[in-house]
Amino acid sequence: EAQVTQNPRYLITVTGKKLTVTCSQNMNHEYMSWYRQDPGLGLRQIYYSMNVEVTDKGDVPEGYKVSRKEKRNFPLILESPSPNQTSLYFCAVGTPYEQYFGPGTRLTVT
Amino acid sequence: SQQGEEDPQALSIQEGENATMNCSYKTSINNLQWYRQNSGRGLVHLILIRSNEREKHSGRLRVTLDTSKKSSSLLITASRAADTASYFCATDSRGAGSYQLTFGKGTKLSVIP
Repeated sequence: EAQVTQNPRYLITVTGKKLTVTCSQNMNHEYMSWYRQDPGLGLRQIYYSMNVEVTDKGDVPEGYKVSRKEKRNFPLILESPSPNQTSLYFCAVGTPYEQYFGPGTRLTVT
Repeated sequence: SQQGEEDPQALSIQEGENATMNCSYKTSINNLQWYRQNSGRGLVHLILIRSNEREKHSGRLRVTLDTSKKSSSLLITASRAADTASYFCATDSRGAGSYQLTFGKGTKLSVIP
């Protein structure tokens, strides 16, 4: 079964404590992306990757890092989380014609 | 930057009625896609329309695209309670070898049984 997996699904953390949200796919797609979703703002792209070792900034990259060392994984790293990064995060994989979204990670930074 | 803007922000209709949502965008596009999101869950791809197409159908969905007005509409016919969700348009406007989907803020559709 084609899947996009995110972990953890829910996370409550404190300001400044480094965290990683993982994204994994079994669909062999080259393109992977991270979005955050906030009420009234819709989905905004954080980073995307066209292929292994190729990443690029989206619209809201500040405070985030990513890496793409292998095709199936695209972790999102928050080196020093702040309360304004409290949000619902989605990983997506796919093609220019269709993207498949993970189930989301709800992050709260206190 | 937000490329697509959906209208209305919220729409409430009775089951069996048609629902129409609109999307406007700012720059030239390669294609436009519509996605659906049930509350708090991941988005699901519904339909894609290319920049050289004017209308496309998929089941109860009808999408139109007017590139001269930089706008698209999504029509859901004979709506059902299960259609209750948020609907987003997404535009792809990058060049060859690179692409980036930009999503609007969405239309929240409520279908009352």
